[in-house]
Amino acid sequence: DVKVTQSSRYLVKRTGEKVFLECVQDMDHENMFWYRQDPGLGLRLIYFSYDVKMKEKGDIPEGYSVSREKKERFSLILESASTNQTSMYLCANGPGPINEQFFGPGTRLTVL
Amino acid sequence: ELKVEQNPLFLSMQEGKNYTIYCNYSTTSDRLYWYRQDPGKSLESLFVLLSNGAVKQEGRLMASLDTKARLSTLHITAAVHDLSATYFCAVDKGGNQFYFGTGTSLTVIP
Repeated sequence: DVKVTQSSRYLVKRTGEKVFLECVQDMDHENMFWYRQDPGLGLRLIYFSYDVKMKEKGDIPEGYSVSREKKERFSLILESASTNQTSMYLCANGPGPINEQFFGPGTRLTVL
Repeated sequence: ELKVEQNPLFLSMQEGKNYTIYCNYSTTSDRLYWYRQDPGKSLESLFVLLSNGAVKQEGRLMASLDTKARLSTLHITAAVHDLSATYFCAVDKGGNQFYFGTGTSLTVIP
């Protein structure tokens, strides 16, 4: 089974803090993705990566950055957290085109 | 920008009834995916539809894809309580980048 783990299920941070969300997958998949999920908006793609050291902006990259130093690990970084970044963050991975993406359990981030 | 619209957004149905969830999208694509999300949980893959006319069935759920109409449907037959969840469709715009619909929250009432 594809297993996708995220570093925290719940996280509370203060405005202005730097926040790291980590995602690890154990199935050797090339592609990894970060989404945020908000009520009424569905899932929106923040960043994605097709390979180590590679990253591409999704639809809402502002205020975020990512790091992929190893194939199995994809980190999402909030450089200076703001209250409008309070959301559910979902990591996903997949083996490539015409395949579904597999999702982690999610991190519910609250920024106060 | 690719837009993916689902309707209805909320659906309350009685056990034993049939209903259809619709997923319309705004650009050409022949790759569409359906996911299920239970409250407080992550997304679980249900169906992968990769060509015009594709039809997949699993239990009481059946999904289809009409790429010419840019429409996918998720049909529920004889609903049971266990099907209560939020259902998302996602369209692959290319390069395995998914655009998700806003989701349909389904509640099956005994």
